[in-house]
Amino acid sequence: DARVTQTPRHKVTEMGQEVTMRCQPILGHNTVFWYRQTMMQGLELLAYFRNRAPLDDSGMPKDRFSAEMPDATLATLKIQPSEPRDSAVYFCASGLGRDTEAFFGQGTRLTVV
Amino acid sequence: QKEVEQNSGPLSVPEGAIASLNCTYSDRGSQSFFWYRQYSGKSPELIMFIYSNGDKEDGRFTAQLNKASQYVSLLIRDSQPSDSATYLCAVRVEGGSYIPTFGRGTSLIVHP
Repeated sequence: DARVTQTPRHKVTEMGQEVTMRCQPILGHNTVFWYRQTMMQGLELLAYFRNRAPLDDSGMPKDRFSAEMPDATLATLKIQPSEPRDSAVYFCASGLGRDTEAFFGQGTRLTVV
Repeated sequence: QKEVEQNSGPLSVPEGAIASLNCTYSDRGSQSFFWYRQYSGKSPELIMFIYSNGDKEDGRFTAQLNKASQYVSLLIRDSQPSDSATYLCAVRVEGGSYIPTFGRGTSLIVHP
């Protein structure tokens, strides 16, 4: 059963701590998206990779967020330092090629207190 | 102004009725259109995509696209309580970044 796997599913952390979220895209998919979902803003794109290269991270606060793909089976999103306003659900999605739909992982629900 | 607009709802329909969900978009270069369903606390799940003007049917779901008027809609026939969810419209511009842009979603409630 091919699916996008995200870890952890839930994370509660204190303000100022580092948070790392991980994503394993569907095997063979070469496009990876990171989205953040809140009630106020809906789904917002944070980062976009194709063939492990970052193509768009314009939606990501650069001073505290970073996204990488160390290899084709792992994408990471890091927040350092975390703030209460970062509390949201973070979704990773993957796709095959540029002309394809995005398949979503189960998300990481982040709470920063 | 967000590039993809949806009425947040909730849209409430009785079981067995047709639910009609609408989405408008601003970029005339948009070429690919997707409908995702998201149950509360779950991740978005793709249910339909459409690329050409006209209708596309899949079971109880019909996607309708009108590029001249820049809107795409989703019809759900014989609505069931299990269809109660938030429906997200996503649009992708070809020749650009190929990144799907999402609307904020319409909440659908199907009551017995």
